[in-house]
Amino acid sequence: EVQLVESGGGLVKPGGSLRLSCAASGFTFSSYSMNWVRQAPGKGLEWVSSISSSSSYIYYADSVKGRFTISRDNAKNSLYLQMNSLRAEDTAVYYCARVFLILSGMDVWGQGTTVTVSS
Amino acid sequence: QSALTQPASVSGSPGQSITISCTGTSSDVGGYNYVSWYQQHPGKAPKLMIYDVSNRPSGVSNRFSGSKSGNTASLTISGLQAEDEADYYCSSYTSSSTPYVFGTGTKVTVL
Repeated sequence: EVQLVESGGGLVKPGGSLRLSCAASGFTFSSYSMNWVRQAPGKGLEWVSSISSSSSYIYYADSVKGRFTISRDNAKNSLYLQMNSLRAEDTAVYYCARVFLILSGMDVWGQGTTVTVSS
Repeated sequence: QSALTQPASVSGSPGQSITISCTGTSSDVGGYNYVSWYQQHPGKAPKLMIYDVSNRPSGVSNRFSGSKSGNTASLTISGLQAEDEADYYCSSYTSSSTPYVFGTGTKVTVL
């Protein structure tokens, strides 16, 4: 079964750090670009970051640039998001998602992991 | 990069057809055929319903169809069913420094 499972969310104080992980199974992880997408409570979807299959291309939303770092380990079938200097507005459910085709839709999503930034 | 514009809500009776619009610019929706649509039920992860403007992934009902004209993409749900009640988001590739942008989201209510 094709599956993505996120972990690493939790409660963190403003200015703190957190590392999210996304474990992939059931498909050839190294062949796909991957995204992180977040959704603040009661709000819409917001694209956060993208990484190509070989990590050659990496992109960030302006709202997280300089604070978040996306990475992947194809040998471990895992995607990561290192989040530093966290702010209250980073509070959200974070989803990892597989990119179906280059530039195309995201066809496999994890269940999400919740990040709460609060003092 | 500003979010794509969607109506906040759309409603219809069972069996009817509804259409959700997604308006962008020539730098995203209008410039590329990389528009996707997602369905999200409360508390659940989004589900891909349409990709590349009008293509349905395997397993998605043919009651869902997508199209595009100029800078506006559309998702049509025909034969509306109770299970279609959900939030819907469009997304597009964009030529800006950030490759993806989502729409503002539309809540579909089945009356």
